[in-house]
Amino acid sequence: GAVVSQHPSWVICKSGTSVKIECRSLDFQATTMFWYRQFPKQSLMLMATSNEGSKATYEQGVEKDKFLINHASLTLSTLTVTSAHPEDSSFYICSARSDTQYFGPGTRLTVL
Amino acid sequence: LAKTTQPISMDSYEGQEVNITCSHNNIATNDYITWYQQFPSQGPRFIIQGYKTKVTNEVASLFIPADRKSSTLSLPRVSLSDTAVYYCLVAGAGNNRKLIWGLGTSLAVNP
Repeated sequence: GAVVSQHPSWVICKSGTSVKIECRSLDFQATTMFWYRQFPKQSLMLMATSNEGSKATYEQGVEKDKFLINHASLTLSTLTVTSAHPEDSSFYICSARSDTQYFGPGTRLTVL
Repeated sequence: LAKTTQPISMDSYEGQEVNITCSHNNIATNDYITWYQQFPSQGPRFIIQGYKTKVTNEVASLFIPADRKSSTLSLPRVSLSDTAVYYCLVAGAGNNRKLIWGLGTSLAVNP
């Protein structure tokens, strides 16, 4: 199947700093990518839909100014968590669609 | 977006066949049924997808009755490494379709 990568796989940062997470589709082009967040023992929660060349569409309750999404090319979408706080600590996962939706390996964010 | 209902957890033993059933009573005509597997601290992994009747690949089979209001994922001869959470999702086939995730089924395979 298609491959989606994420970088970094884990990151630890201080409260108040910003963190950027990259999502790449390695062997296909994706006009649409999705960003999810998952807390321990819970299901995936869709945060936003990233559209190449246009603004992202955020789900209800997700702050667009806090979670900045940029989809500058057909193979790369980035999620920047701005002014991170401990409650933003979570597992962030991206996905992109080829013949079906393929998911990245996830990024573990820990905010101290 | 169709809602899905699955058992919260299941237990099995190595070598057994495991069948996980998912209910999706409000499935739309253009919705496909997709199953994913997720291990802790990893992204979901695609298992199988179908629209109707039966689909089989190298890891699983998917049975879909004529009314499509449910589906059953069948894992033949499970091993300890199949211990994971299994998610059933239904959504349309468009490139920008959103997937709404339920709680999934936590499968524990015992020795």
